[in-house]
Amino acid sequence: DAGITQSPRHKVTETGTPVTLRCHQTENHRYMYWYRQDPGHGLRLIHYSYGVKDTDKGEVSDGYSVSRSKTEDFLLTLESATSSQTSVYFCAIVDRDTDTQYFGPGTRLTVL
Amino acid sequence: SQQGEEDPQALSIQEGENATMNCSYKTSINNLQWYRQNSGRGLVHLILIRSNEREKHSGRLRVTLDTSKKSSSLLITASRAADTASYFCATPSSFQGAQKLVFGQGTRLTINP
Repeated sequence: DAGITQSPRHKVTETGTPVTLRCHQTENHRYMYWYRQDPGHGLRLIHYSYGVKDTDKGEVSDGYSVSRSKTEDFLLTLESATSSQTSVYFCAIVDRDTDTQYFGPGTRLTVL
Repeated sequence: SQQGEEDPQALSIQEGENATMNCSYKTSINNLQWYRQNSGRGLVHLILIRSNEREKHSGRLRVTLDTSKKSSSLLITASRAADTASYFCATPSSFQGAQKLVFGQGTRLTINP
């Protein structure tokens, strides 16, 4: 699992509230990613980071922001959650030595 | 855009039989990765095969890659009930300087006891 943890693992929130999901890695990987997984859409890239304070948008970044103040932590924030953001969110890192992408256990978010 | 397409979408076999899943992709790649996902769980990396490799083994898994046909297959031999899961192929795609993975929709494998 490449030492990736996500928190919380499950969250139920109401429309309009802010939500922050945390991804933590212990192996000093430079690249980190946030994906969402939805039926019929597979996994889609939300944001990614290529170093501390270096982040950029993915395919479905509207409504999301990210921050990376430390190598080990990559935060995904929904400023004002909407029902369309109900999904399972996965964090991932890339092991550049092997080109392998490893995923965290996921966070199941429900926005009511 | 979807790079990898798995076939079949669903597969049901008896325990002990072999399971074969196929993946086709559209553009040139330098590697292809297979993942397993149990229902409601995370994605587990199974194997990575590079474009200069034709076949790779890991335990009961055998992956082949045919770059001329832009296709890959995953064979699970002597299947077990614990192999019941969805299986995805994923190919790297450059996105604004980052390397993201593009996943297919997956093959849902059911192993019947």
